[in-house]
Amino acid sequence: EVQLLESGGGLVQPGGSLRLSCAASEFTFSNYAMYWVRQAPGKGLEWVSGITSNGHSTYYADSVKGRFTISRDNSKNTLYLHLNSLRAEDTAIYYCARDRTAFGLIITSQFGFWGQGTLVTVSS
Amino acid sequence: QSVLTQSPSASGTPGQRVTISCSGSSSNIGTNTVNWYQHLPGTAPKLLIYRDNQRPSGVPDRFSGSKSGTSASLAISGLRSEDEADYYCAAWDDSLNGPVFGGGTPLTVL
Repeated sequence: EVQLLESGGGLVQPGGSLRLSCAASEFTFSNYAMYWVRQAPGKGLEWVSGITSNGHSTYYADSVKGRFTISRDNSKNTLYLHLNSLRAEDTAIYYCARDRTAFGLIITSQFGFWGQGTLVTVSS
Repeated sequence: QSVLTQSPSASGTPGQRVTISCSGSSSNIGTNTVNWYQHLPGTAPKLLIYRDNQRPSGVPDRFSGSKSGTSASLAISGLRSEDEADYYCAAWDDSLNGPVFGGGTPLTVL
């Protein structure tokens, strides 16, 4: 069964940084595009970032462009999200998600499997 | 303000059929396929429908999707108590060059 386990969330001050990790197992990680999606308290789902299977192409929502960086280590089956210049509005549960198909050289809106999420709280 | 606009809420009694709508524009639903997700707060969201009307394996055929023009719908027949959740539509947006979600529709099973 596909497993995605996020970690790295926590409390951080405005302007601070954090690195989220997503450990993947039970599938060939290097074949799939991967994503981060977040949900702020009381709000809906918001796509944050995506990365192709080979890591060569990355995509970001306008709300995080220039502040967040997505990356992956296919040798470690791990997806990362580096969060910099954090703001109160970045407070959310951050979910890691895998594309539905193994055609990993493009990103899509088909998030086939999701992790349980990790909470990031930005507050002084 | 979400790019895709969903019904603000939905409800029904066990056994009924309910429909949730999702409205977009020519840059998203009008030219790209729609996917639907089920989310129980505190759990991992689940893909229910992809490419407008396709069900992943394991999703009951009580769930169905359709699309016309710049709008899409999710229908749930034979409503069950365990269907009580938030439902989100999503599609690729050519103008934003990324996926966009609807604001979500909470479904209450009375």
